[in-house]
Amino acid sequence: KAGVTQTPRYLIKTRGQQVTLSCSPISGHRSVSWYQQTPGQGLQFLFEYFSETQRNKGNFPGRFSGRQFSNSRSEMNVSTLELGDSALYLCASSLGLGSGTDTQYFGPGTRLTVL
Amino acid sequence: KNQVEQSPQSLIILEGKNCTLQCNYTVSPFSNLRWYKQDTGRGPVSLTIMTFSENTKSNRRYTATLDADTKQSSLHITASQLSDSASYICVVSESRNDYKLSFGAGTTVTVRA
Repeated sequence: KAGVTQTPRYLIKTRGQQVTLSCSPISGHRSVSWYQQTPGQGLQFLFEYFSETQRNKGNFPGRFSGRQFSNSRSEMNVSTLELGDSALYLCASSLGLGSGTDTQYFGPGTRLTVL
Repeated sequence: KNQVEQSPQSLIILEGKNCTLQCNYTVSPFSNLRWYKQDTGRGPVSLTIMTFSENTKSNRRYTATLDADTKQSSLHITASQLSDSASYICVVSESRNDYKLSFGAGTTVTVRA
């Protein structure tokens, strides 16, 4: 079974631009979560989508948005990029059962650099 | 203040030796605690998941313990190998919202030959 894939793997943008990142979950998984990882803040939860609906949301500004398609693939969009948005963006997929043993499988991440 | 604190921040051990990583949390109410291993340049990989009623769980040479009363967990690595060099992240979720996860900053383990 193929793992979680993320595209692109690396991205360089300038301040003020917008960016869209893509995540394809493991086949059969209906939940996709997005995380931001920086050296100073560690991993931080952005949001989670389940069956095309945002089910949970972290404490990030509205510039960060996402969506999920009927095939469970998900996209994350960041508008008006700031230097502080430079980070590794990880997505994770799971069955989405919400149980205590629902394992999340992470993709390799997209490394975003904002100049 | 972070609700999940890990210690030490980093450690260096010799190949074949054991080590123990600590995770203290204040997340409440508690649903489950997970340990992840993250190799440099890769996404985290789940090692163990423990719910409130579990106090120990093993995955090959990794053994996690949980004391839900004191809100402490540990990850013990036995007979370390060079491939154990990675960041180990403790993640706690609230019972109200299983997908609201609180992450520790991680412990960086370096195994030397």
